[in-house]
Amino acid sequence: DQQVKQNSPSLSVQEGRISILNCDYTNSMFDYFLWYKKYPAEGPTFLISISSIKDKNEDGRFTVFLNKSAKHLSLHIVPSQPGDSAVYFCAATDTNAGKSTFGDGTTLTVKP
Amino acid sequence: ETGVTQTPRHLVMGMTNKKSLKCEQHLGHNAMYWYKQSAKKPLELMFVYNFKEQTENNSVPSRFSPECPNSSHLFLHLHTLQPEDSALYLCASSQVHGGLDGYTFGSGTRLTVV
Repeated sequence: DQQVKQNSPSLSVQEGRISILNCDYTNSMFDYFLWYKKYPAEGPTFLISISSIKDKNEDGRFTVFLNKSAKHLSLHIVPSQPGDSAVYFCAATDTNAGKSTFGDGTTLTVKP
Repeated sequence: ETGVTQTPRHLVMGMTNKKSLKCEQHLGHNAMYWYKQSAKKPLELMFVYNFKEQTENNSVPSRFSPECPNSSHLFLHLHTLQPEDSALYLCASSQVHGGLDGYTFGSGTRLTVV
């Protein structure tokens, strides 16, 4: 049973527009949520995170939204740039159990 | 040198070989992790070390043996692997286990078992 799901394997967006990446989870014990970006031949890089006590966290062009009742989080990138093209992973952490679970990833392509 | 460094970047080994993957971090982090990424699968947690003590073994077969001699180094010893063990093996570290600052990942070792 996959506890963290990214249902869109890929997303294509025009440069300057908004990119919205989605993630759903099933375990209500998750209390920290994180987004990572991965370029080919590199390890994932931490982008932004949010605690379950918040519903929004913003860092420059990146905003993460958390809807606990729907067990859903999303990453908004505005404006999207070609350099944002990468695989994006969401991860959810149960801090009591000390476990982080990753989604499958969504490949974002930003077209010039 | 900063960040998380993994060696080797690529490894091809036979099923009867013994090899080791090395991970080194100079970030002063207290937790280190081994993850496995197989094709078309999410990242799978293998092992967690917190303050040099193993705190998690995620039902990993005994042909994978981790070692954490100090807080900066983590090894994954491999022996009698199977072809289905071919994957990208990622090491990561974090200041606090499961914190909001996320993990710092290495670039990974691409392992091929023949």
